[in-house]
Amino acid sequence: EIVLTQSPDTLSLSPGERATLSCRASQTDYSGYLSWYHQKPGQAPRLLIFGASSRATGIPDRFSGSGSGTDFTLTISRLEPEDFAVYFCQYFITSPPRVAFGGGTKVEI
Amino acid sequence: QVHLQESGPGLVKPSETLSLTCSVSDDVSNNYYWSWIRQPPGKGLEYIGHIHYSGSTIYNPSLKSRVTISVDTSKNHISLKLNSVTAADTAVYYCARASMVYAIHFWIDPWGQGTLVTVSS
Repeated sequence: EIVLTQSPDTLSLSPGERATLSCRASQTDYSGYLSWYHQKPGQAPRLLIFGASSRATGIPDRFSGSGSGTDFTLTISRLEPEDFAVYFCQYFITSPPRVAFGGGTKVEI
Repeated sequence: QVHLQESGPGLVKPSETLSLTCSVSDDVSNNYYWSWIRQPPGKGLEYIGHIHYSGSTIYNPSLKSRVTISVDTSKNHISLKLNSVTAADTAVYYCARASMVYAIHFWIDPWGQGTLVTVSS
C-alpha cells in the first residue's frame, strides 16, 4: 500500500519568508502525478497544484510545485498572511485505483 | 464556478446508517468524478470514494463494505450512505468534483463547504 508522508509536521515561519514542504510516496506508481491543497481553519480544502507542477485557476505564482516519482515539493516563495494554513498532498494510485492523502503540514507564524 | 452543498442529519446513532446528499449546481452528467471525502475533527483527510455519471465507482478499501455512493442525474444530486456507523465515523464530510485525465492525472476541485456528522447515542 502506498503511503504519503509529509514533512515537516509543522513549519514555523514569518511573512515574507520562503516555505518548502515535502511529500514523499512510500513507493512509486507510474502515474507520479501529485496534487496539493491548503486548508484554512473552518474552511474546506482548496486546490493549489495539480499534475505535480500546474497551478490551479486563481492561484498566485508564489506557489510552485515540483518533483516526480516518489519525492515532491511545494514551495511558497514569499509567505503572505493568508498562506498560514494546513497543506495536504494527494496522489492517485492506479492499481488498484484509489486516492491517498498525506497527513498534512501546518504552516504557522 | 460550480457550487456543491452537502446536506443531511448532523447526528446519527451508532449502528445506524449515515445518509448525506450533495446538491450540485452543474450537470452531474459532465465528465467528472463526484467524490466524498471526510475529515475527523482535528485530523487529516480520508477519501471515501467517487462516482462517475456512467455509474462506475471507486471506494476506499477500508470503507468499501459499508459505503454506497450514487448519482441522481435528474436532480443533480450525489448521495452517500455509510452503514453500521461508530464513533470513529464522526467527521466533517465533504463532497467535491474531481477531474481525471489519461487515467492518471487526478485532482479535486472544487469542494463543498462540508457538513459535520456526529455519531453518538
